[in-house]
Amino acid sequence: DTAVSQTPKYLVTQMGNDKSIKCEQNLGHDTMYWYKQDSKKFLKIMFSYNNKELIINETVPNRFSPKSPDKAHLNLHINSLELGDSAVYFCASSQSGNTIYFGEGSWLTVV
Amino acid sequence: QQQVKQSPQSLIVQKGGISIINCAYENTAFDYFPWYQQFPGKGPALLIAIRPDVSEKKEGRFTISFNKSAKQFSLHIMDSQPGDSATYFCAASTRSGSARQLTFGSGTQLTVLP
Repeated sequence: DTAVSQTPKYLVTQMGNDKSIKCEQNLGHDTMYWYKQDSKKFLKIMFSYNNKELIINETVPNRFSPKSPDKAHLNLHINSLELGDSAVYFCASSQSGNTIYFGEGSWLTVV
Repeated sequence: QQQVKQSPQSLIVQKGGISIINCAYENTAFDYFPWYQQFPGKGPALLIAIRPDVSEKKEGRFTISFNKSAKQFSLHIMDSQPGDSATYFCAASTRSGSARQLTFGSGTQLTVLP
């Protein structure tokens, strides 16, 4: 019954690896987002997709690539992971620019 | 450049007290101001939100006060309870097409003592 679900919840990986985080929403929303929360809990938007189309693309290294196979899914691929990529990544969704609902987060640790 | 400034960074109140968190913004294009509550290990959850044409909004024990001319808004939690202990984020938002772009404050760690 989780509205915005993301997997995995925890991910520990070595520098240089490539990893993906998957996100699915069952709310029927037309817009999905990826946010990053750093070690100081600061939240910042990374990307937004509407019906598989990229709308918002903040200043994010191009090692990060979102992929939206359909409007209910937005996955995040990260290539050549660096120590500074360690953070919590939140997927979120909204309908027509209204309330944004967040998932429970994916804790990424790069060692 | 931090577009939304939030204070205090941490707040400790006694049970039954009033918790007050303040935020200030710079960009007059912001048109929606939500507050999110985040518990450890969880994602942020919408608590209450206000639009700039309203000066106050109340939902239960939670009230937003909004001062458009000063570009400030605040969250008041009345009769604070230990279960309110969490991190609170103010945010300011603009629309990008069908998407909402949230700019968050830096968060306030609230602890309510029993």
